[in-house]
Amino acid sequence: AQKVTQAQTEISVVEKEDVTLDCVYETRDTTYYLFWYKQPPSGELVFLIRRNSFDEQNEISGRYSWNFQKSTSSFNFTITASQVVDSAVYFCALSEATTDSWGKFQFGAGTQVVVTP
Amino acid sequence: DSGVTQTPKHLITATGQRVTLRCSPRSGDLSVYWYQQSLDQGLQFLIQYYNGEERAKGNILERFSAQQFPDLHSELNLSSLELGDSALYFCASSEGEGAGEQFFGPGTRLTVL
Repeated sequence: AQKVTQAQTEISVVEKEDVTLDCVYETRDTTYYLFWYKQPPSGELVFLIRRNSFDEQNEISGRYSWNFQKSTSSFNFTITASQVVDSAVYFCALSEATTDSWGKFQFGAGTQVVVTP
Repeated sequence: DSGVTQTPKHLITATGQRVTLRCSPRSGDLSVYWYQQSLDQGLQFLIQYYNGEERAKGNILERFSAQQFPDLHSELNLSSLELGDSALYFCASSEGEGAGEQFFGPGTRLTVL
C-alpha cells in the first residue's frame, strides 16, 4: 500500500505565484520523520526540509514554508513567489520506526512543478 | 553539490550482462543507501549499508547485490540484466543509521538494450 500520497501530478503556475504541494502519509507509528526533496531537470535529488512527528510547528525558510498537521496526516509544502528555477519534481518522503531502518525512506510519486515566466 | 559521487554517469549495456555502479559517500557519513527510480515504480529503496554492514533491505532483486568497503565507498552489482532494469540508480549517504536527511548523488542512468 502506498504510504505517501502526492495526489497532484503536475502544477503549472506563472512566475511570482505561490505553489502549494500536498502530501498525505500513512503510518501507525507515533515517531516518524517527514521530508521534502526537489529533483530539478538535472536529475539530482536535493534535500529541502525534515520534520519529526513531535514537532508540528510550522516554519518558514526563505520562500519555502510547510504545514504539518498530524490530525489529517498531511505535510504540505509551499513555495512563495515562485521563480522559473523552482521548476522541478518535488517528492515527499516518510521514515518510520516500524521498518527495519529509519533510513528506509518511502517516497511519494512526486509532483511536477512548472513555473513559466 | 551534495558531496556524494557516483560513477559512471551513464551506462548502456545489453540484456544478460552484469554491471557495477560505484558510490562514494560524503566525508564522515557512515550510511550508504541505494535507490532505483523508474517511470513505473517511482523512487524505490533498495538497500542500506552502515559502516560496512548491511542494515536494511527493500525490494531488491536477487540478481542485485551490494557491498560497502572499509573506506566506506559502496558498489551495487546488477547481473543478468533485463530491459526492465533500465532506470536511474541513486546512491545517498547520511551521517548515522537513519532518520537524518539523506544526501543524494547525481545518479547513474542505466540503459539495458
